[in-house]
Amino acid sequence: AQSVTQLDSHVSVSEGTPVLLRCNYSSSYSPSLFWYVQHPNKGLQLLLKYTSAATLVKGINGFEAEFKKSETSFHLTKPSAHMSDAAEYFCVVSLRDSSYKLIFGSGTRLLVRP
Amino acid sequence: NAGVTQTPKFRILKIGQSMTLQCTQDMNHNYMYWYRQDPGMGLKLIYYSVGAGITDKGEVPNGYNVSRSTTEDFPLRLELAAPSQTSVYFCASSYSNTPSYEQYFGPGTRLTVT
Repeated sequence: AQSVTQLDSHVSVSEGTPVLLRCNYSSSYSPSLFWYVQHPNKGLQLLLKYTSAATLVKGINGFEAEFKKSETSFHLTKPSAHMSDAAEYFCVVSLRDSSYKLIFGSGTRLLVRP
Repeated sequence: NAGVTQTPKFRILKIGQSMTLQCTQDMNHNYMYWYRQDPGMGLKLIYYSVGAGITDKGEVPNGYNVSRSTTEDFPLRLELAAPSQTSVYFCASSYSNTPSYEQYFGPGTRLTVT
């Protein structure tokens, strides 16, 4: 079965310092992986996705993620945090059957200190 | 484009009451989805639709019903509300269900059943 595990429920960083949000996946096949962001009282927005092309994926707002098959990881990074990055982040895997349903991780809440 | 809109934003129901959560998209997407998000958890798929007149169950369909009479609208019906249905409900739509196509999310409906 395919699943994702977000290793941290909360991450706190200072503004201007790097961000690392960790995600491990479990999949029998080469997965499609996504990172979504949810700002308070808003719907989810796609940050970036990996669909078996380049292993380093660049997304919106300076975020990027690297697909590492040997480590079954898809960690999200940003070189310098901004106050507006404070939000909930979800790592998501797409099922590899005809449904392509999305399976969500439990989320990581990013706090950015001034 | 308004994207995906949901009404109401908030609702409090008493146990045993019924209600319909409305979802409309103006992007002419074939695929529409209903998710629920419980505190500290990722989203779980309730129902989805691949086009007008076609719906199917997701992970957690019990206690809910859907219909899809038009491309634009995908209402979610709660019959005999229970406290376990207290959650935030998100509607989403996409052009296709494959990972190449992004799911666009509405802002959510926060439902409390007491």
